[in-house]
Amino acid sequence: KNEVEQSPQNLTAQEGEFITINCSYSVGISALHWLQQHPGGGIVSLFMLSSGKKKHGRLIATINIQEKHSSLHITASHPRDSAVYICAVTSGSRLTFGEGTQLTVNP
Amino acid sequence: EADIYQTPRYLVIGTGKKITLECSQTMGHDKMYWYQQDPGMELHLIHYSYGVNSTEKGDLSSESTVSRIRTEHFPLTLESARPSHTSQYLCASSEYDNEQFFGPGTRLTVL
Repeated sequence: KNEVEQSPQNLTAQEGEFITINCSYSVGISALHWLQQHPGGGIVSLFMLSSGKKKHGRLIATINIQEKHSSLHITASHPRDSAVYICAVTSGSRLTFGEGTQLTVNP
Repeated sequence: EADIYQTPRYLVIGTGKKITLECSQTMGHDKMYWYQQDPGMELHLIHYSYGVNSTEKGDLSSESTVSRIRTEHFPLTLESARPSHTSQYLCASSEYDNEQFFGPGTRLTVL
């Protein structure tokens, strides 16, 4: 069993839909990260959080430390949101990654 | 915008060649990392460094080696490339245990 598990693995949505990607982890962490990887391979850090909730534009990330669970929400999704979204946790001083969620938003 | 660079972006090379993938950052970060990612798969840490003259192996065994002679530079070397080394290699840096900034990656193909 992976230490970081994401669901769903693949997600297809219509433009404008509200999207939720989930992440569960099984180890003690100091922080959780949401990353976005574009088809060209480049990775952008979206959020780093250790408690509560963060919002940046149409993106919202929440974490429940007791339940070892985090969600990434995208409101009013757009085709340019299509990418792989990766959950990663900092345990010790290193990142452990989930397998990623491939999101496709159709116009 | 993160100031972390990788060269080359794409490399196609024959078996047995020695290659060095370059990674440099201008943010003064002490911590640097190399990750390997096969298509459609998760990233795996192969090397990391906490500062000059510090290098450690990561979670995934790799035949590559790294060096950290200068803070801003963390090159990765394969002495004899093989087709099994075909993958994407991503470099990252961070300050302490904060957010990691990723480079654009190097797509390596070994024929």
